Amino acid sequence: GAGVSQSPSNKVTEKGKDVELRCDPISGHTALYWYRQSLGQGLEFLIYFQGNSAPDKSGLPSDRFSAERTGGSVSTLTIQRTQQEDSAVYLCASSRGQGGKISYNEQFFGPGTRLTVL
Amino acid sequence: AQKVTQAQTEISVVEKEDVTLDCVYETRDTTYYLFWYKQPPSGELVFLIRRNSFDEQNEISGRYSWNFQKSTSSFNFTITASQVVDSAVYFCALSEEESWGKLQFGAGTQVVVTP
Repeated sequence: GAGVSQSPSNKVTEKGKDVELRCDPISGHTALYWYRQSLGQGLEFLIYFQGNSAPDKSGLPSDRFSAERTGGSVSTLTIQRTQQEDSAVYLCASSRGQGGKISYNEQFFGPGTRLTVL
Repeated sequence: AQKVTQAQTEISVVEKEDVTLDCVYETRDTTYYLFWYKQPPSGELVFLIRRNSFDEQNEISGRYSWNFQKSTSSFNFTITASQVVDSAVYFCALSEEESWGKLQFGAGTQVVVTP
C-alpha cells in the first residue's frame, strides 16, 4: 500500500518568506507527527496530531511555526518569515495511534522535505 | 537533557565483520518503548524493531540482534556478518508512555561497510 508522502521534496526560499510543507499519512492512521532533522540538532520532535487535534505542540521552536490537520488526514506545516536556521529536512510520520497504546506503535516516515533558506 | 545517547558517531567495518551499536537511554517512566530505525543514503527512516520496558528478551531477526538490559539502561544492536547494504545511519529512540508516542532520538551512528 501507499506509504507516507510529503511535498515538495525540496524547497528553496528566501529569508523572510513563508513556506508550507505538506504530509499525506498512511490511510487509516490517526496519529501524525512532524520531526525536523538538521546537522546541528539531530532529529527533533515538533508536533503530534491525533485526528485533527494537536495534544502536543511542545517541539515547535517558535511562534513562526504552526501546523494543522484536516479531515484526520493531510497535514500542513507552515513556517512564517523563514530564517536561515530553519534550513533542515522536515519529516512526517504516521502511526495507527489507537488501542490505548499510542507510544507502542511504530511510526512510518515519509521521505521528508528538504528546506533551504537563503 | 538528552534522553538517548549513542556515543559512537561512526563505525567503519569490512564486509562480513560484526558491528555492535550502543544505545543508552534515560527515563523515569516504568513503561516505555525503545526503537531502532535505519536511515539509508536515500534518507527515509525505516523501522527495525520495538521493545517495551517489560520485555527484556533478546531478539534475533536474520543478521540483526538486539540486547535490552534494563539494569544498565541499554538497548544495543548488533549486525552479524555485515554487508555493504547495511551502510546507513542507525537511530535509537525512546517513547515514554505518557508522551503520545513522541520519539526522542539519539544522535545516530553512521555505519560504513566496505567490500
